[in-house]
Amino acid sequence: QQPVQSPQAVILREGEDAVINCSSSKALYSVHWYRQKHGEAPVFLMILLKGGEQKGHDKISASFNEKKQQSSLYLTASQLSYSGTYFCGTDLRSGAGSYQLTFGKGTKLSVIP
Amino acid sequence: DTEVTQTPKHLVMGMTNKKSLKCEQHMGHRAMYWYKQKAKKPPELMFVYSYEKLSINESVPSRFSPECPNSSLLNLHLHALQPEDSALYLCASSQPLAKNIQYFGAGTRLSVL
Repeated sequence: QQPVQSPQAVILREGEDAVINCSSSKALYSVHWYRQKHGEAPVFLMILLKGGEQKGHDKISASFNEKKQQSSLYLTASQLSYSGTYFCGTDLRSGAGSYQLTFGKGTKLSVIP
Repeated sequence: DTEVTQTPKHLVMGMTNKKSLKCEQHMGHRAMYWYKQKAKKPPELMFVYSYEKLSINESVPSRFSPECPNSSLLNLHLHALQPEDSALYLCASSQPLAKNIQYFGAGTRLSVL
């Protein structure tokens, strides 16, 4: 089942903050966040495991609310290099040998000077 | 080193041609994936190999034929493709019994004429 991402697109000025949400109707084992720039491969940002943890990487952090099966990605003091499409990938770990991620439709983030 | 290498980077083929895409990783990962990505869409899972065995085939047409010769290599054989098969084909790998973080190659941009 594909997770639902919101918003679909957001435009920020440098230095502004943004939040991207990812929600699932199924119980999640983990949530993975990726950023993909135009014409390039998706690049792994961080993983959130069930347990409600919050992780951070420079000025990008994320949280996982296990009760709501929802993850949020926080981008603070945005830089031009943050521009790209952000995908969440959900791992249901539903059975033996089930290692697939299902990606949301993506959020296109544009940071302008 | 989190490198997944895909060749070729670009491929143009006619509908009667036979070609192959190649993917290689040396991270000791035991799961490898093929994804298809159309413009402005998320990666769409095609196949998963886990411990060199095909574990997931997402109802992909038989004109796509995956092969995993060993734990480091993954091929995708193409035959009699249709113009709608034109897309970016991404390979990824992960360590399934760990956090299953997927690392993507740069992709092969395929055009079917």
